[in-house]
Amino acid sequence: GENVEQHPSTLSVQEGDSAVIKCTYSDSASNYFPWYKQELGKGPQLIIDIRSNVGEKKDQRIAVTLNKTAKHFSLHITETQPEDSAVYFCAADREAGNQFYFGTGTSLTVIP
Amino acid sequence: EAGVVQSPRYKIIEKKQPVAFWCNPISGHNTLYWYRQNLGQGPELLIRYENEEAVDDSQLPKDRFSAERLKGVDSTLKIQPAELGDSAVYLCASNPAGAGGLHTQYFGPGTRLTVL
Repeated sequence: GENVEQHPSTLSVQEGDSAVIKCTYSDSASNYFPWYKQELGKGPQLIIDIRSNVGEKKDQRIAVTLNKTAKHFSLHITETQPEDSAVYFCAADREAGNQFYFGTGTSLTVIP
Repeated sequence: EAGVVQSPRYKIIEKKQPVAFWCNPISGHNTLYWYRQNLGQGPELLIRYENEEAVDDSQLPKDRFSAERLKGVDSTLKIQPAELGDSAVYLCASNPAGAGGLHTQYFGPGTRLTVL
């Protein structure tokens, strides 16, 4: 069935290094791709999103890239800080934006 | 602006007992979602409401789960009777758009349910 695959499932980086999380999707009708950060004991919080008419979007240390032809999108975090440690979920919309497919999550640990 | 509010934050019950979760979405958000999140996994949709209408409840285990959003604002999700496998975090989310909108979902903090 339709789904979103997310890799890696766990990622450890040294403080100051970059982190990259990759997702692939299968529904060619998907047009909206949000990324969520979930800290322990909290709900997922939107950190950045991208729509299919854009190839890249950046917000300070966070960027997202989208390759709609290959059905890939990635989250890039530069100059990582310990407070970036969390679980990150990618998602792709379905049913014209009414629902999302969620990835399985990446647990990011930034080592001070 | 207040975010999505959920209560309780934590609930511990014994199996076969009933339990209910409450959600108040962001003001003005027409679409409301209930998700279940198992440990180490992404959220899985249980039910989606457009105003007071449940427009997708295909993933809701209807033998024991029920939900309502009577006035199209806050919502309640109920499990009766609870089973051990129902232990999870139950997330509520809302979206400002009606059908066909490309808007993101805003999540509440979730209710962590433990069934003993």
